[in-house]
Amino acid sequence: EVQLLESGGGLVQPGGSLRLSCAASGFTFSTFAMTWVRQAPGKGLEWVSGISKRSDGITDYADVVKGRFTISRDNSANKVYLQMDSLRAEDTAVYYCAKALYGATPFYYGVDVWGQGTTVTVSS
Amino acid sequence: QSALTQPASVSGSPGQSTTISCTGTSSDVGSFNLVSWYQQHPGKAPKLMISEVTHRPSGVSNRFSGSKSANTAFLTISGLQTEDEADYYCSSYATGSTWVFGGGTRLTVL
Repeated sequence: EVQLLESGGGLVQPGGSLRLSCAASGFTFSTFAMTWVRQAPGKGLEWVSGISKRSDGITDYADVVKGRFTISRDNSANKVYLQMDSLRAEDTAVYYCAKALYGATPFYYGVDVWGQGTTVTVSS
Repeated sequence: QSALTQPASVSGSPGQSTTISCTGTSSDVGSFNLVSWYQQHPGKAPKLMISEVTHRPSGVSNRFSGSKSANTAFLTISGLQTEDEADYYCSSYATGSTWVFGGGTRLTVL
């Protein structure tokens, strides 16, 4: 079964850091781009960041997180990460990782597998 | 990176059809056939319903279809069923290697 499992969420003070992890199973992880999407409480989906299939792959970021968040992946461990620094209250959300629909295409062609999400709360 | 514009809510009766619009600009929807649609039930992760404007992934009911005209994409759901009641989000690639979502549309099946 194709699965994504996020972890690493929690409560952090403004200005603090968190590292989210997403463990993949059931597919050849190294052949798919991956992305992070978040959803603030009661709000819609918001794209955060994406990375191409290679471990040293091309990375993209939404303007609101650029310079504060870093996406990376370890294809030997079948994991994608999101390092979040200088966190703000407005970063409070459920963070989902998701898998690109097709191998060898960017994630924005569509994502077909989502994790269950991990909750990040930024508050003093 | 402006969000795409969707109606906040739409409704329909069982068996009817309904269409959700997703309006962008010439920098996103209008220039790229990379519009996707996602269904999200409360407390659940989103589910891909349509990719690349019109493509329906395996396992998605053929009651769901997508289209596009100029800067606006559309998701049409025919033969409405109660289980279709959910939030629907469009997304599109945008110039500058970014990905934007719509604000979401709540579908109510009356």
